[in-house]
Amino acid sequence: DGGITQSPKYLFRKEGQNVTLSCEQNLNHDAMYWYRQDPGQGLRLIYYSQIVNDFQKGDIAEGYSVSREKKESFPLTVTSAQKNPTAFYLCASSNQPNTEAFFGQGTRLTVV
Amino acid sequence: EDQVTQSPEALRLQEGESSSLNCSYTVSGLRGLFWYRQDPGKGPEFLFTLYSAGEEKEKERLKATLTKKESFLHITAPKPEDSATYLCAVCTTDSWGKLQFGAGTQVVVTP
Repeated sequence: DGGITQSPKYLFRKEGQNVTLSCEQNLNHDAMYWYRQDPGQGLRLIYYSQIVNDFQKGDIAEGYSVSREKKESFPLTVTSAQKNPTAFYLCASSNQPNTEAFFGQGTRLTVV
Repeated sequence: EDQVTQSPEALRLQEGESSSLNCSYTVSGLRGLFWYRQDPGKGPEFLFTLYSAGEEKEKERLKATLTKKESFLHITAPKPEDSATYLCAVCTTDSWGKLQFGAGTQVVVTP
């Protein structure tokens, strides 16, 4: 089945630790995205990548980092510099700009 | 600044009671408007794409329409399984495929 796989589904992190969220897609999409969702708010864009080995900051990139070494993979690292990392993280991909994006099932990160 | 506003924030319907959700947008140049459905703890599920004013799309009990300033998602004779949060997003001429989302409308349909 084609789709986007995010792992893990739940993640707990101690303050001061970096943590990496995985996102893999087998849709052969060029573009991939990371969004953050907080209760009562819309999704906010963290980083996006139009093509392999290229990525740009979104609206709330501070405290996050990404890599795009393979077309299928777009991991997100939440660093200790992120002030309020507890949130629901969503990865998405799209075939072309301005077309629909398809989402993974999300990773819920909790800082303890 | 581009803005996407959804209303109402929450909607409670009786089964069979039709209603509409609103997504109003203020953007520099609309390339596309997207509707998603999101269940609790899950990722958004794509429903519709609308590109130009006057366009309409339908899927089962859902119908999406678009004007130059807003989009409506009409739910006809809803069932309890239509309970979800419905998200609206826009893509603009200067945003290269990046989606800007509204906060969503939470819909609860009771039997």
